[in-house]
Amino acid sequence: QKEVEQNSGPLSVPEGAIASLNCTYSDRVSQSFFWYRQYSGKSPELIMSIYSNGDKEDGRFTAQLNKASQYVSLLIRDSQPSDSATYLCAVITPGGSYIPTFGRGTSLIVHP
Amino acid sequence: GAGVSQSPSNKVTEKGKDVELRCDPISGHTALYWYRQSLGQGLEFLIYFQGNSAPDKSGLPSDRFSAERTGGSVSTLTIQRTQQEDSAVYLCASSNPGLAEGALAKNIQYFGAGTRLSVL
Repeated sequence: QKEVEQNSGPLSVPEGAIASLNCTYSDRVSQSFFWYRQYSGKSPELIMSIYSNGDKEDGRFTAQLNKASQYVSLLIRDSQPSDSATYLCAVITPGGSYIPTFGRGTSLIVHP
Repeated sequence: GAGVSQSPSNKVTEKGKDVELRCDPISGHTALYWYRQSLGQGLEFLIYFQGNSAPDKSGLPSDRFSAERTGGSVSTLTIQRTQQEDSAVYLCASSNPGLAEGALAKNIQYFGAGTRLSVL
């Protein structure tokens, strides 16, 4: 059973701070990792994808992958109130149908 | 269309009734997924269609749930004899992963707005 674990939060950070969201996964051979943002009552939308160890930066967002420790994180620099949402981690493991496994999500609150 | 379209956006039904939820994927996308999201929970995979291949039904929670995809495009999720525990948001997603293993592993999904099902 593939498992993807996230702290449900809420994680509360002040505006302008760095928000750090973490995700661990159980299957060592997992290959692809995704962060989706979901505003309340809305559908998930992709923010970042990462496939190799290390950091991947896109604007204020940085995804970090450590396959040896089986975790992936998302850093949000200069957090804004508009970043307040639930962040879902998704993992694809090779074989079978390549269906992403989602974590339960971490609720982020950025307060002014 | 421009995005994944789901209908209805909200559905209220009585326990024991059957419901049909519709998903119209992004034009050209070969893969279509149904997920269920209960309050405060993550996305629970239900069923996956890819091209003309047999669907992956491994996530369907009971035989009351079924889905079909006609002509490789529109999909309908049917829940028979609904129960209160079926109340959730049902999300559809589509993607165009290609067939190569490397492409499948980089499969980015595009989600619809969902159907909120309430079973009274």
